[in-house]
Amino acid sequence: DVKVTQSSRYLVKRTGEKVFLECVQDMDHENMFWYRQDPGLGLRLIYFSYDVKMKEKGDIPEGYSVSREKKERFSLILESASTNQTSMYLCASSSGDIAKNIQYFGAGTRLSVL
Amino acid sequence: GEDVEQSLFLSVREGDSSVINCTYTDSSSTYLYWYKQEPGAGLQLLTYIFSNMDMKQDQRLTVLLNKKDKHLSLRIADTQTGDSAIYFCAETPYGADYGGSQGNLIFGKGTKLSVKP
Repeated sequence: DVKVTQSSRYLVKRTGEKVFLECVQDMDHENMFWYRQDPGLGLRLIYFSYDVKMKEKGDIPEGYSVSREKKERFSLILESASTNQTSMYLCASSSGDIAKNIQYFGAGTRLSVL
Repeated sequence: GEDVEQSLFLSVREGDSSVINCTYTDSSSTYLYWYKQEPGAGLQLLTYIFSNMDMKQDQRLTVLLNKKDKHLSLRIADTQTGDSAIYFCAETPYGADYGGSQGNLIFGKGTKLSVKP
């Protein structure tokens, strides 16, 4: 079974802190994604990566950055956390099959910024 | 641009059938997906259908695809309280004109299914 592991289920941070959310997948997938999920807004894509050291902006990249130094790990960074970044963050990975692009999700990290 | 639409809420009684509907806009989508999200958890792939199929059945789940109307539905037979969750429809837009982002999924906002005993 594909396993996507997010390092924390719950995080509480203060405004202005630098926050790291880590995601690891064990299926040698090329693609990795970070989403945030908010009530009534569904999933919104923040950043994604198709290869090591490669990243592309999604729909809402402002206030975030990412790092992919190794194929299995994709990190989301909040440079200076703000209260409007309080949300559920979901990581996903998929193989390089463009047509049948099944994404596998981690359990999510619920981040609260106070 | 591409958009996937779903109603936000559905409430059914235990034992009834549930039908969750979805419309999508990209006629070139090759695969369409249904994901399930239980409370406090990530999304789990429930089923998917290839665009050249009209129907796919998997135990209590039936997926119907109407390509002409760009309409996808998920029917859950004999709905149980354990089926209470948020259900997301998603499509893979297949085309270089999607900002070069081949391989991304476009999700609907999710339908929250509540099953009353």
